[in-house]
Amino acid sequence: EAEVAQSPRYKITEKSQAVAFWCDPISGHATLYWYRQILGQGPELLVQFQDESVVDDSQLPKDRFSAERLKGVDSTLKIQPAELGDSAMYLCASSPRTAGIAKNIQYFGAGTRLSVL
Amino acid sequence: DQQVKQNSPSLSVQEGRISILNCDYTNSMFDYFLWYKKYPAEGPTFLISISSIKDKNEDGRFTVFLNKSAKHLSLHIVPSQPGDSAVYFCAANFGNEKLTFGTGTRLTIIP
Repeated sequence: EAEVAQSPRYKITEKSQAVAFWCDPISGHATLYWYRQILGQGPELLVQFQDESVVDDSQLPKDRFSAERLKGVDSTLKIQPAELGDSAMYLCASSPRTAGIAKNIQYFGAGTRLSVL
Repeated sequence: DQQVKQNSPSLSVQEGRISILNCDYTNSMFDYFLWYKKYPAEGPTFLISISSIKDKNEDGRFTVFLNKSAKHLSLHIVPSQPGDSAVYFCAANFGNEKLTFGTGTRLTIIP
């Protein structure tokens, strides 16, 4: 069964350092999402791509976060510099290009657990 | 502004009985609702969904009910099994695919 791949699974860094997370969506999925989940809360969207274009980055803290999906396939999310409050699970999800109900279902990767010390 | 609310942080149910998880929403524009299940150290897994044009959707042991007038949906699991122990998230969206999640309910099935 096809899966969304994310790496690394865990990342420990010191504040003010740079970190990067990678995501490879399910093959053929046009839409890719990055979510952040803080312990005890539900995932919140950071950025959404349609192919290589950003559709929604209204909740992305652009002074320190950046995201790219250069060839419309895999994606990288970067934080520089990391702050203590960035400690969270970073989840990547993808959804197919098809219209209708199937388009609304998002498939998630296992996530990257970030701890900022 | 929490547009999707799961007011029960936790729920314990005896194995074999029915588990009922509840979710309320405030945004009347939402037209699609999903339930995700999450085990520790894993990403959320899609479980079942319902469109706003329906009031019930069933898939095996899982049934989702939607009451649009009350802006309420519920997930029924029957019979509950130990492997159902997980955190369940309700999510909703309209049109543009961005999902708004609730805070989750931790379901524990007692053998």
